[in-house]
Amino acid sequence: EAGVTQFPSHSVIEKGQTVTLRCDPISGHDNLYWYRRVMGKEIKFLLHFVKESKQDESGMPNNRFLAERTGGTYSTLKVQPAELEDSGVYFCASSQSLDGPLHFGNGTRLTVT
Amino acid sequence: RKEVEQDPGPFNVPEGATVAFNCTYSNSASQSFFWYRQDCRKEPKLLMSVYSSGNEDGRFTAQLNRASQYISLLIRDSKLSDSATYLCVVNDYKLSFGAGTTVTVRA
Repeated sequence: EAGVTQFPSHSVIEKGQTVTLRCDPISGHDNLYWYRRVMGKEIKFLLHFVKESKQDESGMPNNRFLAERTGGTYSTLKVQPAELEDSGVYFCASSQSLDGPLHFGNGTRLTVT
Repeated sequence: RKEVEQDPGPFNVPEGATVAFNCTYSNSASQSFFWYRQDCRKEPKLLMSVYSSGNEDGRFTAQLNRASQYISLLIRDSKLSDSATYLCVVNDYKLSFGAGTTVTVRA
């Protein structure tokens, strides 16, 4: 079974540019989550999809962040325009059930200069 | 108050020692609990789920105390490969992570 895959693994962009992160969950997992870890801080929830619907987006920091999951399969997280404080590691995770464990992707390390 | 709090450590222990640490959570309605392990610059990986009666997986034992709202992890007979950051994760339909407890096992 393929795990959660994320692309790219690293991204270095300048302040003001746009970056789109992609996540492919485990096949059949309806629940897809985005998390972020900034330097020295704990992993923070960004949002949760159930299939193609946003179940909870309370963790999205501001309207520069846009997440989509068209068709309920893969998801994208766009940051536009990127700011310095957006630097961090963005993890995607999926689960089969709401109370089940999460399976994480390798993360995308985003550096905004 | 943070939703999930952990002692950051670090816990520096010799091989073969036992190490234990706790995690407290604020939402009494939380339904499920997990310990994840995160190695440096890697993604978190599920170590074990925590069940209400407590559970054991090899050298690892997890306990849940709902009355006091904490979970614990105990590692027996520590190995060098146990060195990692251990994340406490609480699921109240929005997984909340602790900041992690760092464990370093020395030869």
